[in-house]
Amino acid sequence: NAGVTQTPKFQVLKTGQSMTLQCAQDMNHEYMSWYRQDPGMGLRLIHYSVGAGITDQGEVPNGYNVSRSTTEDFPLRLLSAAPSQTSVYFCASRDRGGNTGELFFGEGSRLTVL
Amino acid sequence: LAKTTQPISMDSYEGQEVNITCSHNNIATNDYITWYQQFPSQGPRFIIQGYKTKVTNEVASLFIPADRKSSTLSLPRVSLSDTAVYYCLVGEGGLTGGGNKLTFGTGTQLKVEL
Repeated sequence: NAGVTQTPKFQVLKTGQSMTLQCAQDMNHEYMSWYRQDPGMGLRLIHYSVGAGITDQGEVPNGYNVSRSTTEDFPLRLLSAAPSQTSVYFCASRDRGGNTGELFFGEGSRLTVL
Repeated sequence: LAKTTQPISMDSYEGQEVNITCSHNNIATNDYITWYQQFPSQGPRFIIQGYKTKVTNEVASLFIPADRKSSTLSLPRVSLSDTAVYYCLVGEGGLTGGGNKLTFGTGTQLKVEL
């Protein structure tokens, strides 16, 4: 089982460039979310989705856009990258019917904005 | 959303039992308590979840007092491989209300030595 797959694993951008971090899950999970983790800090929720066509903001949504056209995919878009967005990004998904609501995480995407 | 407070770091030796306590004074009636483990350069991994009293699985125990304002993750006989960051989360199970905005604090860095 692939679980949650994130691409790319590493990316370097220049200030002002745009890019999309991809996240795909093959577990038919309705809930998906994006977190960012800065050095020495915990994970902060950026955006989340409870199903196709439904998204909502988390703690730190500014500078990021998301969409959810399918159950499997939840891309995170940076329209105009800034150095403050240098971070490690984690995508996570969860089974709506699961007993524990366990979040399954991808391996992360390390983004550097110069 | 219930805020959680954990110690920033803890040190232990191999073979000892480690107890990490999390405070969550504003926990709501529908909130569950969940613990995750994170190794460097990896996404967090689910350890255990509970609502009240005691829960035990193959890797840890979770103790929750009657008032549910705190919880303690207990790791029996730790080894070097248990060196990681441990996060306590509080939120609703399922996909309604606070269960969608699962927030991670800064976690507890556990260091296990020989």
